[in-house]
Amino acid sequence: GNSVTQMEGPVTLSEEAFLTINCTYTATGYPSLFWYVQYPGEGLQLLLKATKADDKGSNKGFEATYRKETTSFHLEKGSVQVSDSAVYFCALSDLGGLTGGGNKLTFGTGTQLKVEL
Amino acid sequence: GAGVSQTPSNKVTEKGKYVELRCDPISGHTALYWYRQSLGQGPEFLIYFQGTGAADDSGLPNDRFFAVRPEGSVSTLKIQRTERGDSAVYLCASSLNIADTQYFGPGTRLTVL
Repeated sequence: GNSVTQMEGPVTLSEEAFLTINCTYTATGYPSLFWYVQYPGEGLQLLLKATKADDKGSNKGFEATYRKETTSFHLEKGSVQVSDSAVYFCALSDLGGLTGGGNKLTFGTGTQLKVEL
Repeated sequence: GAGVSQTPSNKVTEKGKYVELRCDPISGHTALYWYRQSLGQGPEFLIYFQGTGAADDSGLPNDRFFAVRPEGSVSTLKIQRTERGDSAVYLCASSLNIADTQYFGPGTRLTVL
């Protein structure tokens, strides 16, 4: 079945540091890949997505590139801010895969990011 | 416009009781999903509706869990004979159609004592 593995947290960085959160996946079909973010006290929000190999998703200074050869979708940001402190979830959906049944998302366990001044 | 809303935001119940959790999707969204998020984990898929019908209920853990969407809009997740292991945040998401981005509600935190 489908699965997503992401690095464990918490990740603690100083403001303006470079961020990488690793994510790898296993899927039976041709998945779309997502990063969702959960800010303290708020619901899950889509941060960025990529729907096919070599696509790069980007938003709010965050980027991730869909690497089919390494089955990875690592999240990066060049200079983090205190306001980026949140839990980040990597996820996939397998709309065209063997499992069928809509666009259900398979999530990783989440990585907590803490950015300090 | 209004996002996905879920009620109640918190629900505390006793073991063995019946609970209903409600989801109001974004207006016009045909697809609706339920997920469950346990502490320290990512959300796990429970069930998906396309219109009024449950297109995929493969994530429901057992027959104590049931969900309906009778008019293709609001959905209710029903849990019978609750157990302490059912304690989690129950998330609802909707999307315009099957291939579109899912928008999540704030969740209902269920605590079974």
